[in-house]
Amino acid sequence: EAQVTQNPRYLITVTGKKLTVTCSQNMNHEYMSWYRQDPGLGLRQIYYSMNVEVTDKGDVPEGYKVSRKEKRNFPLILESPSPNQTSLYFCASSRTGELFFGEGSRLTVL
Amino acid sequence: SQQGEEDPQALSIQEGENATMNCSYKTSINNLQWYRQNSGRGLVHLILIRSNEREKHSGRLRVTLDTSKKSSSLLITASRAADTASYFCATDMKTSYDKVIFGPGTSLSVIP
Repeated sequence: EAQVTQNPRYLITVTGKKLTVTCSQNMNHEYMSWYRQDPGLGLRQIYYSMNVEVTDKGDVPEGYKVSRKEKRNFPLILESPSPNQTSLYFCASSRTGELFFGEGSRLTVL
Repeated sequence: SQQGEEDPQALSIQEGENATMNCSYKTSINNLQWYRQNSGRGLVHLILIRSNEREKHSGRLRVTLDTSKKSSSLLITASRAADTASYFCATDMKTSYDKVIFGPGTSLSVIP
């Protein structure tokens, strides 16, 4: 089954404790992207990747890092999480423009 | 700032009625897409319309695009309770086709 898998789905952590949200897709898509969703703000793009070893900043990259060492994986790294990074995070992948989304990772930073 | 803005923010209709949502954007685009999100779930792609297209249909969905007004509309005909969800438009700009930007969405409630 074609899918985008994110882990963890839910996480509560504390300020400053490094965490990684993994994203994996099995559709051989070149393009992958991370979004955060906050009430009233819609989805805002954090980082995206056009292919392996190619990443670019989206609209809200501050406080986040990504890597694309393999085509299928695109982890989102929060080196030192802060409460303003409490949000619902989505990973998505695409080949032809249509985005396929994961089920989301709800992150709470205390 | 947001590239796309949906209107209205919220819409409540009776089952069987048609639902129309609008999206306005600011800069020239390559494509415009509409997505649906059930509460707290991942977004699901509904339809993509290219900048050289004016209208597109998919089942009960009809999407129009007016590039001169920088606007699009999504019409859902004969709505069902299962259509209750949030709907988002997304655009990728001509100057940066790899950045897909979403609007804040329209929350649709279909009352049985």
